[in-house]
Amino acid sequence: EIVLTQSPGTLSLSPGERATLSCRASQSVTSNYLAWYQQKIGQAPRLLIYGASSRATGIPDRFSGSGSGTDFTLTISRLEPEDFAVYYCHQYAGSPRTFGQGTKVEIK
Amino acid sequence: EVQLVQSGAEVKKPGESLKISCRGSGYSFNNYWIAWVRQMPGKGLEWMGIIYPGDSDTRYGPSFQGQVTFSADKSISTAYLQWGALKASDTAMYYCARLMEVGSSWQPHDYWGQGTLVTVSS
Repeated sequence: EIVLTQSPGTLSLSPGERATLSCRASQSVTSNYLAWYQQKIGQAPRLLIYGASSRATGIPDRFSGSGSGTDFTLTISRLEPEDFAVYYCHQYAGSPRTFGQGTKVEIK
Repeated sequence: EVQLVQSGAEVKKPGESLKISCRGSGYSFNNYWIAWVRQMPGKGLEWMGIIYPGDSDTRYGPSFQGQVTFSADKSISTAYLQWGALKASDTAMYYCARLMEVGSSWQPHDYWGQGTLVTVSS
């Protein structure tokens, strides 16, 4: 099983600042089959990024993904008020598929 | 418009059985895998497994194998998650989600249901 470890657990930032979230895999994620989701309180997750760096439909370009192998990053270039949420990485290359434990982005 | 609509919240006692549903619309339901994801109160997302409605091929995560059953009725574009005997530890929000590309099980989840809250308490 591929274990995904996200860091930091919580990121305290102000609107307008840049957010950098990390996701590290216990083994290489084949074909960069790594996605990122955003979840707000009381809502279902929303797909942001897939294939490590491709934005899903309708996702603003302030969200970007990068990385390969075992190290992946989600960057939010300038935080908007609606971006404060929990973010999960997800690998869909191995069985079973797995999620990271989440990073909470909170208002400083 | 692609939509996944899940059945409503349930309150059950330990040992009772339960079947919750996820109805797809706006796309060819039979041709896309459906995933089930658990979120326990205040916790993260856990991948339970997937089902292909076209032929009911299923893959279970190891923590859920033998604990739950996936099924699908393609005639009404609906997938199901069921338990034979609930435990208090099954209390959680359960989401269904569509895998992004036709026919492939190696995909992210692009559309999600609204979730079904299952509460198991004596």
